[in-house]
Amino acid sequence: GESVGLHLPTLSVQEGDNSIINCAYSNSASDYFIWYKQESGKGPQFIIDIRSNMDKRQGQRVTVLLNKTVKHLSLQIAATQPGDSAVYFCAERYAGGTSYGKLTFGQGTILTVHP
Amino acid sequence: DAGITQSPRHKVTETGTPVTLRCHQTENHRYMYWYRQDPGHGLRLIHYSYGVKDTDKGEVSDGYSVSRSKTEDFLLTLESATSSQTSVYFCAITSAGGYSEAFFGQGTRLTVV
Repeated sequence: GESVGLHLPTLSVQEGDNSIINCAYSNSASDYFIWYKQESGKGPQFIIDIRSNMDKRQGQRVTVLLNKTVKHLSLQIAATQPGDSAVYFCAERYAGGTSYGKLTFGQGTILTVHP
Repeated sequence: DAGITQSPRHKVTETGTPVTLRCHQTENHRYMYWYRQDPGHGLRLIHYSYGVKDTDKGEVSDGYSVSRSKTEDFLLTLESATSSQTSVYFCAITSAGGYSEAFFGQGTRLTVV
């Protein structure tokens, strides 16, 4: 929602540019990662996921890169559009049975796309 | 959109009163979660459920309790609301944990005055 914006990293781009949003995750045992998009007043919306046995995964206009060595995740958005303006969160999970699917979220990044 | 409904969507309550938030799903998913979202803290897990009557605490569970008497409903109760519990609350579901994505409800904005 609108109150999430305080103290978050921000990224401002022009329409049509490519955007890269970065995330450092905390748990070296995490083996599943998700990127979410959250628009003002709405719940987080699934964008793309990746398992730890992959370095890269592509979707429609989005690509997620995973670097397990430095525990870093990035989301690339191609040809960014004004509708992409939102807060973006990365989330991590240890997919083993005892985790019960719990996700740990990063702080989020505000993406603003200027026409 | 995944079939998740949170109610109420907005609530203002007084300090010391009990409050119950409801999450209803139509997906028959096994796992359900309650998160709170605050500026500077992102989304933090309050409680979760891995089946009917099976619940456990998350990282910020103090002052909250939950119940799950049937698959589709997960209730979050603030026994005695405090101003520090003013937040946006989100319910999430996932089918199998593991490598399956979690879907979120639209959120409940709770203000404790």
